[in-house]
Amino acid sequence: GNSVTQMEGPVTLSEEAFLTINCTYTATGYPSLFWYVQYPGEGLQLLLKATKADDKGSNKGFEATYRKETTSFHLEKGSVQVSDSAVYFCALSTLGAGGTSYGKLTFGQGTILTVHP
Amino acid sequence: DGGITQSPKYLFRKEGQNVTLSCEQNLNHDAMYWYRQDPGQGLRLIYYSQIVNDFQKGDIAEGYSVSREKKESFPLTVTSAQKNPTAFYLCASSPAGAYEQYFGPGTRLTVT
Repeated sequence: GNSVTQMEGPVTLSEEAFLTINCTYTATGYPSLFWYVQYPGEGLQLLLKATKADDKGSNKGFEATYRKETTSFHLEKGSVQVSDSAVYFCALSTLGAGGTSYGKLTFGQGTILTVHP
Repeated sequence: DGGITQSPKYLFRKEGQNVTLSCEQNLNHDAMYWYRQDPGQGLRLIYYSQIVNDFQKGDIAEGYSVSREKKESFPLTVTSAQKNPTAFYLCASSPAGAYEQYFGPGTRLTVT
């Protein structure tokens, strides 16, 4: 079956520090990979995605590269801000046989990020 | 504005009562999903529906029920059979053939 393993948190950084949150996966077939962000008391927002090997997803200064050889999709940001404090979820999705089923997401356990001024 | 709405944001119930959580979307998405989130854990899939009048169990369907009478609506009932119902419930939707899902703001259910 599919599974996602994320770096354990919480992660605490100072503003303008470099961020890496590790994510590795196991999946049958060829998954699409995602990072979602959840701010306190809210739902999840799609942060970025990559649908095939070597694709790089990017948004709001965050980046992640789909590495099939290492089954990884690590999230990075060069300079974090206080407003980036949130919970980050790595997730994957595979369509069903024949591409006819809708994507079912498998999530990692989430990584809490706190950024101090 | 297109989006997914969940109501209410906070819900309180006594043990032994059934409770229904609302999820509505105006994105014209075909598929809809219900997830449960517990502190320190990822999201777990309860039920999902690909088309009207059809739905499938997810990983933790016991103690829950759903209906899909309209494309826009996918209500979740938490029954008294659910042993540990206190959690944050998230509804999501996705268009046909898409891998990604779009989430509502969630409902926090507390059962005492």
